[in-house]
Amino acid sequence: DAGVIQSPRHEVTEMGQEVTLRCKPISGHNSLFWYRQTMMRGLELLIYFNNNVPIDDSGMPEDRFSAKMPNASFSTLKIQPSEPRDSAVYFCASSPRGSVNSPLHFGNGTRLTVT
Amino acid sequence: AQTVTQSQPEMSVQEAETVTLSCTYDTSESDYYLFWYKQPPSRQMILVIRQEAYKQQNATENRFSVNFQKAAKSFSLKISDSQLGDAAMYFCALIQGAQKLVFGQGTRLTINP
Repeated sequence: DAGVIQSPRHEVTEMGQEVTLRCKPISGHNSLFWYRQTMMRGLELLIYFNNNVPIDDSGMPEDRFSAKMPNASFSTLKIQPSEPRDSAVYFCASSPRGSVNSPLHFGNGTRLTVT
Repeated sequence: AQTVTQSQPEMSVQEAETVTLSCTYDTSESDYYLFWYKQPPSRQMILVIRQEAYKQQNATENRFSVNFQKAAKSFSLKISDSQLGDAAMYFCALIQGAQKLVFGQGTRLTINP
């Protein structure tokens, strides 16, 4: 079990550029979550999917943010255009079931810096 | 590498009683932060309590307190006077320097009325 795999580990980009973060959940897990970690707000849920379908995207801060899950083994979080205030660590997590009692398995995160 | 281990996948407690959730960690650094997060059905991650490793005094937040044993690398969470609203998944997490949070696997807490 390779765990949840996120790429890239670090991303540095200039304001206005498009950024795409990638996540591969654990095989067999059918729920996937995107979180953002900042010093000011801690961990925030951005969006989560069950069986590739977005269930709750109320945490997505702005229209500049979008997330897709084209299949059970891959998801992307895109920011276009990026802004310095988007600088944060972005975590992807997966769980085996959609139940609220299912444990989350976190990836190692992507540290995004927008200059 | 940093690791965080929560050895209790599930715990239950009677309402109004006290429960302790366990967490152990491993890090080579001397300066780091430890956290307990609560995840209710909304899936949001709510910060419950935070402990700076350089502080010897255990952090407390109302009914929530920690037992931080730095030498043993142990960071348990005590919930006093448990309430039905405390039912959730609880995650222990560690961060050092400018690194990313490392999470334990979580403990599901059930409150029995």
